[in-house]
Amino acid sequence: QQQVKQSPQSLIVQKGGISIINCAYENTAFDYFPWYQQFPGKGPALLIAIRPDVSEKKEGRFTISFNKSAKQFSLHIMDSQPGDSATYFCAARESGGGADGLTFGKGTHLIIQP
Amino acid sequence: EAGVTQSPTHLIKTRGQQATLRCSPISGHTSVYWYQQALGLGLQFLLWYDEGEERNRGNFPPRFSGRQFPNYSSELNVNALELEDSALYLCASSRRGSANEKLFFGSGTQLSVL
Repeated sequence: QQQVKQSPQSLIVQKGGISIINCAYENTAFDYFPWYQQFPGKGPALLIAIRPDVSEKKEGRFTISFNKSAKQFSLHIMDSQPGDSATYFCAARESGGGADGLTFGKGTHLIIQP
Repeated sequence: EAGVTQSPTHLIKTRGQQATLRCSPISGHTSVYWYQQALGLGLQFLLWYDEGEERNRGNFPPRFSGRQFPNYSSELNVNALELEDSALYLCASSRRGSANEKLFFGSGTQLSVL
């Protein structure tokens, strides 16, 4: 049973456009929702994270939108750049859980075309 | 400060053989996590070590095992290799295995089982 469903699997966006990646979950005990960015040949790196007490968190061009009632959260990349081309993973973890409790989505391969 | 280092970068084995993968955490980090990243499946939690002890393991068979040494480096062993074990194996470290600690990933070991 996949606890975090991520879509789309792949995404092509023109430079300067908005990239949107969506994730949905079922476990209402999840209370921490990070996004990881992975470049080819590298390990994932934490990009931005949100807790359910806020509906939106913004860091530079990256924004997480969170809809608790719908059990969905999404990553928006504004003014997408070729350097943003990477695989993005959403994840979720239960309250009080450690990193061993992180459940990852299957990833979105994002390509930003110049 | 050096990041999480993993060796070897690539490893090619045949079915039935054993593979040993190594990880050195960031200095000062006591927790080491192992993940399997199979194509299209996202990151699957394998094992968590902290202060030399195995703290938790994911839903993997016992032929996946490991240990953590007194210097906090870690080793992942996979016995009786099967074709489906082919994947990128990622190691991550954190200061300690608490809910708020940030994970730092290495670049992984690409294991190919022929």
